Amino acid sequence: GAVVSQHPSWVICKSGTSVKIECRSLDFQATTMFWYRQFPKQSLMLMATSNEGSKATYEQGVEKDKFLINHASLTLSTLTVTSAHPEDSSFYICSAEKLVGKSYNEQFFGPGTRLTVL
Amino acid sequence: AQTVTQSQPEMSVQEAETVTLSCTYDTSENNYYLFWYKQPPSRQMILVIRQEAYKQQNATENRFSVNFQKAAKSFSLKISDSQLGDTAMYFCAFMKQTGANNLFFGTGTRLTVIP
Repeated sequence: GAVVSQHPSWVICKSGTSVKIECRSLDFQATTMFWYRQFPKQSLMLMATSNEGSKATYEQGVEKDKFLINHASLTLSTLTVTSAHPEDSSFYICSAEKLVGKSYNEQFFGPGTRLTVL
Repeated sequence: AQTVTQSQPEMSVQEAETVTLSCTYDTSENNYYLFWYKQPPSRQMILVIRQEAYKQQNATENRFSVNFQKAAKSFSLKISDSQLGDTAMYFCAFMKQTGANNLFFGTGTRLTVIP
């Protein structure tokens, strides 16, 4: 199997506080994980690529100091939204990459985390 | 840069009927993968079907099949014998075969299966 979990599934926080979201690959090791953001009725937008043991690669327009990513082990990546503001309210989805077959890496998605900043 | 376009924001189909969702893409790559993902109301992304660009044969998975036209850069999804559980957002996505394994998603098509 290839199961990816996220915790928490939903979180409400006050403006100015920080929130940490965890992404875990439960039955496989993932050198690479991805973080996406999805606004209501919109598509998934890649925020950053998380690599185990190295710095994350952020997409253009994503503030690395605001969205801190730590990929400390082969089964865990965390996204911390620092000094959250209402405009950060969104659905955050992670995926973990797993080698399927000889040369193809498939992304397996977590169930997502809904963040609401008051 | 890669772009993926889904020109149908919403579609509906009668239960047991067939529906086709459209997707076009733009890339300068020769080797790549194309995907259709389903996102039901639970928001869990589910892989429906995958197509390798080097394969001429269209991929099929049970009631789901694709029409891959590489020259036209077109990748449509056909759902046969539609079921109520097929109601969801469907995203077309592109990934290069070499280099960064980023997925580029289209804007999605909301499919409603009508009983």
